[in-house]
Amino acid sequence: AQSVSQHNHHVILSEAASLELGCNYSYGGTVNLFWYVQYPGQHLQLLLKYFSGDPLVKGIKGFEAEFIKSKFSFNLRKPSVQWSDTAEYFCAVNARGSGNTGKLIFGQGTTLQVKP
Amino acid sequence: EPEVTQTPSHQVTQMGQEVILRCVPISNHLYFYWYRQILGQKVEFLVSFYNNEISEKSEIFDDQFSVERPDGSNFTLKIRSTKLEDSAMYFCASSVKAYEQYFGPGTRLTVT
Repeated sequence: AQSVSQHNHHVILSEAASLELGCNYSYGGTVNLFWYVQYPGQHLQLLLKYFSGDPLVKGIKGFEAEFIKSKFSFNLRKPSVQWSDTAEYFCAVNARGSGNTGKLIFGQGTTLQVKP
Repeated sequence: EPEVTQTPSHQVTQMGQEVILRCVPISNHLYFYWYRQILGQKVEFLVSFYNNEISEKSEIFDDQFSVERPDGSNFTLKIRSTKLEDSAMYFCASSVKAYEQYFGPGTRLTVT
């Protein structure tokens, strides 16, 4: 069965610290990978996505993620976090290929708290 | 920028009552989804809908649940007889292709 695992449930950082959130997935076929962010009181927003090509993808607000196929990982990074990055971050995957419905499988989420 | 909208933002209902959660997907999108998130748990897939029919549903999506696209714009989730364990945040999402989904703000359903 498909599954997504996020290693960090709650991360607390000071402003300007670097961020790395781990995400591993389990799936037998080819996948698309996503990071979504949910700011307090807001809806899920797409932060970045990987479909194919360069395994290092850049998203909005200075975030990037690297797909390492051999490790089934898609870790999220940001060199210097800001207080406004305080949010919940979700890694998600869906299967690629004809006949796939786009169903997203989510990780359990990581709450990031950035202290000013 | 086009957005997925959902109404109501919060619905309180008594156990055994029927509820209908409404969503207006982005207008040129063809794929529609419902997810839910029970407090403190993962976001879980419920159902996907394409070409006026369910394309996939999860084990959670039993006979108490149904979806409909009654007109060209709305996409609804109906729960026929709510249970306490249906209390959750329900998210609607839509996409052009079956990949990148845009989410609505969610409806918080509280069953008492």
